Amino acid sequence: GIQVEQSPPDLILQEGANSTLRCNFSDSVNNLQWFHQNPWGQLINLFYIPSGTKQNGRLSATTVATERYSLLYISSSQTTDSGVYFCAVEGRGSEKLVFGKGMKLTVNP
Amino acid sequence: NAGVTQTPKFQVLKTGQSMTLQCAQDMNHNSMYWYRQDPGMGLRLIYYSASEGTTDKGEVPNGYNVSRLNKREFSLRLESAAPSQTSVYFCASMGKLSSWGEQYFGPGTRLTVT
Repeated sequence: GIQVEQSPPDLILQEGANSTLRCNFSDSVNNLQWFHQNPWGQLINLFYIPSGTKQNGRLSATTVATERYSLLYISSSQTTDSGVYFCAVEGRGSEKLVFGKGMKLTVNP
Repeated sequence: NAGVTQTPKFQVLKTGQSMTLQCAQDMNHNSMYWYRQDPGMGLRLIYYSASEGTTDKGEVPNGYNVSRLNKREFSLRLESAAPSQTSVYFCASMGKLSSWGEQYFGPGTRLTVT
């Protein structure tokens, strides 16, 4: 099945810094999503982005489907950005998402 | 609009006991999913239902059964709980028409099997 790799696995930032999270996937995809799991465990959908670029406030995401990777940018990070970020993909012909192992972000004040 | 709801939020079982985790969504989504999350393992799919009346196995189905009761509800049953099933369980739903392709999660159920 399709493989999803996220990097880096852990990242510690000072408030106000910028960061880039990367997601590589092994095959063509119909669907790619980024999720944030906050420290209380709630999973929030950030972006549905199988290709192209989207922005939502301080967050933006870009997927280059032909090169099989996606990037999540966090600018001017805040302590509330802390948590685990997951990339998930749905391969062509599949009806289910496959999740990466996640990237733990800690933003210190 | 409550989104995806799950009950219970917490549960402690003894080995061999059974229980059913309930999930409901009010977004008129066709697809529903059950995941488990273990430390360092990300989310792993247990079962999913692409539409009312259908269910399929995911990555880790052993020890579980599911029922898609109607379009809104998708339950997960542990017939004989084992300590290896200690985990956090998430239900999710996804639409293919409105909010196309976006998956929404419930708040999770923290299950401990002793």
